Amino acid sequence: AQSVSQHNHHVILSEAASLELGCNYSYGGTVNLFWYVQYPGQHLQLLLKYFSGDPLVKGIKGFEAEFIKSKFSFNLRKPSVQWSDTAEYFCAVGHASGGSYIPTFGRGTSLIVHP
Amino acid sequence: DAGVTQSPTHLIKTRGQQVTLRCSPISGHKSVSWYQQVLGQGPQFIFQYYEKEERGRGNFPDRFSARQFPNYSSELNVNALLLGDSALYLCASSFPLRGAVTNEQFFGPGTRLTVL
Repeated sequence: AQSVSQHNHHVILSEAASLELGCNYSYGGTVNLFWYVQYPGQHLQLLLKYFSGDPLVKGIKGFEAEFIKSKFSFNLRKPSVQWSDTAEYFCAVGHASGGSYIPTFGRGTSLIVHP
Repeated sequence: DAGVTQSPTHLIKTRGQQVTLRCSPISGHKSVSWYQQVLGQGPQFIFQYYEKEERGRGNFPDRFSARQFPNYSSELNVNALLLGDSALYLCASSFPLRGAVTNEQFFGPGTRLTVL
């Protein structure tokens, strides 16, 4: 079965610090990759996605992620975080299997940004 | 535009009971997925429906079932509830990309189920 690993469960940063959240997955075939964010009291929402093409993907609010196929990784980055980036971040991987679509989420990373 | 809506928002049941959760997708979205999220974990995939047909099933027991209606709304049913079924149940809808069901998903607020 496919698995998604998010190595950092809790991250605490000060404003203006740089952010990198790790995500690795186990499936060896064609995958679609996503980062979702859940701000306090809000729904899960999409930050960015990768289906094909340029492995460096830019999302909303200054976030970007790089797909490195050889490392089965899709790490999320932001050069300078803001207090408003405090949220839960989830990496998700989807793949097709036998005509079905199987999405798998990581356990999430809780990010706290101090002003 | 209205987002994904789910009902009820909260539910308390006792062990052995049955529960039905409801979801209405964003207008125009034909695919609905269900997830279970327990505290401290990411959403775990239960089912995906597209055009009223099951397109994916996660590793959940047969006590869990779902269906999608002609208006693309969906119900998730859980029979013989266990304490371990207590969780936030999320519904997500998507507009398939070129017939596939691998596009981004739009999540609802969830139904918080507590089993006593």
